[in-house]
Amino acid sequence: NAGVTQTPKFQVLKTGQSMTLQCAQDMNHEYMSWYRQDPGMGLRLIHYSVGAGITDQGEVPNGYNVSRSTTEDFPLRLLSAAPSQTSVYFCASSRRGQKADTIYFGEGSWLTVV
Amino acid sequence: GQNIDQPTEMTATEGAIVQINCTYQTSGFNGLFWYQQHAGEAPTFLSYNVLDGLEEKGRFSSFLSRSKGYSYLLLKELQMKDSASYLCAVRAEYGNKLVFGAGTILRVKS
Repeated sequence: NAGVTQTPKFQVLKTGQSMTLQCAQDMNHEYMSWYRQDPGMGLRLIHYSVGAGITDQGEVPNGYNVSRSTTEDFPLRLLSAAPSQTSVYFCASSRRGQKADTIYFGEGSWLTVV
Repeated sequence: GQNIDQPTEMTATEGAIVQINCTYQTSGFNGLFWYQQHAGEAPTFLSYNVLDGLEEKGRFSSFLSRSKGYSYLLLKELQMKDSASYLCAVRAEYGNKLVFGAGTILRVKS
């Protein structure tokens, strides 16, 4: 019963370093998303994908890249980490359609950039 | 633009009823979600409204008025474990992208 799996759970980076947050789902969901959550600001959409090979920018895409080579995986890449990217990152997946209960969140990745 | 407003914090007593309001102004609308989030954890789904009216699910109910851009989450028979942040989120017309409010921290006291 894996659902949406995110790795790593915790990471500390130095300014300028690059890294990839991994997200995998085993529910054959078409839609996958990355959100970041900062204190007092709720979750904000970074990038979005409706299927393999298709990605779209969300509200706060700058500094992040994504790709969707398979249905299962949706990695988020930080090219050159900045302190402003210190946040909690959540990956989410859902199947195509409008059913409310199909949006599943991973457990989150806590990232600190020093 | 997208704007979702919720109260920042609320306090209520164990066993009581509390109503958490949410107002929204978004470019599109295809449903409103309520999520519960405990500190250090992922959001968990509570309710969904796409048509006007009340949806009831056990101790939790959610109401939507699309003409007023307004929703509320009603929690009955409050328990200490209900202390959490409650997030209101609107689904855009396209796909399943969500726009979240900042969340309401609910503190339940004995």
